[in-house]
Parts: sequence; structure tokens; C-alpha cells
Amino acid sequence: AQSVTQLDSHVSVSEGTPVLLRCNYSSSYSPSLFWYVQHPNKGLQLLLKYTSAATLVKGINGFEAEFKKSETSFHLTKPSAHMSDAAEYFCVVSGWMDSSYKLIFGSGTRLLVRP
Amino acid sequence: NAGVTQTPKFQVLKTGQSMTLQCAQDMNHEYMSWYRQDPGMGLRLIHYSVGAGITDQGEVPNGYNVSRSTTEDFPLRLLSAAPSQTSVYFCASRGEGLAYNEQFFGPGTRLTVL
Repeated sequence: AQSVTQLDSHVSVSEGTPVLLRCNYSSSYSPSLFWYVQHPNKGLQLLLKYTSAATLVKGINGFEAEFKKSETSFHLTKPSAHMSDAAEYFCVVSGWMDSSYKLIFGSGTRLLVRP
Repeated sequence: NAGVTQTPKFQVLKTGQSMTLQCAQDMNHEYMSWYRQDPGMGLRLIHYSVGAGITDQGEVPNGYNVSRSTTEDFPLRLLSAAPSQTSVYFCASRGEGLAYNEQFFGPGTRLTVL
């Protein structure tokens, strides 16, 4: 069975400091992993995706994530937070389960950026 | 390309009423799905479709029906609305080719059931 756990429901950082949003996954085979961002009252936007190519994945707006199979982690990072990064972030695992393709969403991490 | 579109953006229903949430995509994607988003629970899959004429249940299908008569459209029907169906609903389609496995989401429908 596949699952994904986002370890923090809220993360608060100061503008200009690094961002770390943590995600652990469980999968019986090599998964596809994604990070999505949702700004208030908006839809979901893809930040980046891992599909078994390079383990360090670069996304939009300066975000990147590293796939670590030994730790079953896919943490999202950014060197310097901007006020516009304040949003909710979802880690997602996808794959074929019970003969059908499914996405499993984490419960989300709300990022607050202090001036 | 308009991408994935949803209507309406907002809806208020009374308990027992029925309605249809519309979803359309113009990317010729075969795979489409409906999710509901509730606080602290991420997105949960309601129903999905792998192509015209083929639908299946997701994680939380009770109280919802879907059909897929064309590749473009994937409406979600609430048969008899209940307060527990108050949520934000997202429709998505799955990319193909270079965008394989990437989900494209609509802007959402915010539904309140009184």
C-alpha cells in the first residue's frame, strides 16, 4: 500500500530564511512523487515532480526536493523564503494500486512567512 | 488551452437537494478525477475515469455519481445533498506524454450544504 505523511501541519519562517517542508512516503515499489502548492482560495499548482530520474528535483519559484530512498523521504526546500511563498503545500505519491492509477495526498503543511 | 474548468465556483444547497458540478478539459486527457478537500485531510479521491464510458469509485464515493460520455466532460452529481458534503471540490485530469503523471487541477467549487 502507498501512503504519504507530512510531518508538520504548520511551519513558520522569517522572510529570507530557508524553508524545509518534510514528507515521508511508503510504497512497495518506486513511486512518482509530487509537491503541489495551494494559495488561499486557489486551485493546486504543481511545484515539482520526481519520476525516477535525477534524485534532486528542481521546481518553480526556487523550490527543490531530494528523493532519498533509504530514508523514504521527499523533503521540499528553498534557500530563502519570500512573502509570496505563504501557502499550503501538499506532498503526493502516485502509482497503480488495485489495478487502478491513484494519487495519495498528504494532509498538507501550511507555510507562514513572517516579515 | 483553457486547461481544466469547473462551474460553478460557489454553491449553497439545502439538505436533500441535488445538483451537478461541471468539469471540462480541453487537453484530450483520458484520465480524469474528482477530489474533495477538507481541512487537515488533504484531497480525497471521490470518483475517477480512465476514458469515455469508464468510471470507477475512489476513496469516498458515497453520495456521489459520475458519468463520462465524452473525453472532455466529467460531471459530478450529488444525489441528495447532506451537510457532510460541505467541502471544496476539485476536478483534475492527468497529463500524457512529457506531462505524464502530472495532474492538472481546476480552480475548485466551494459547496455549502445547509
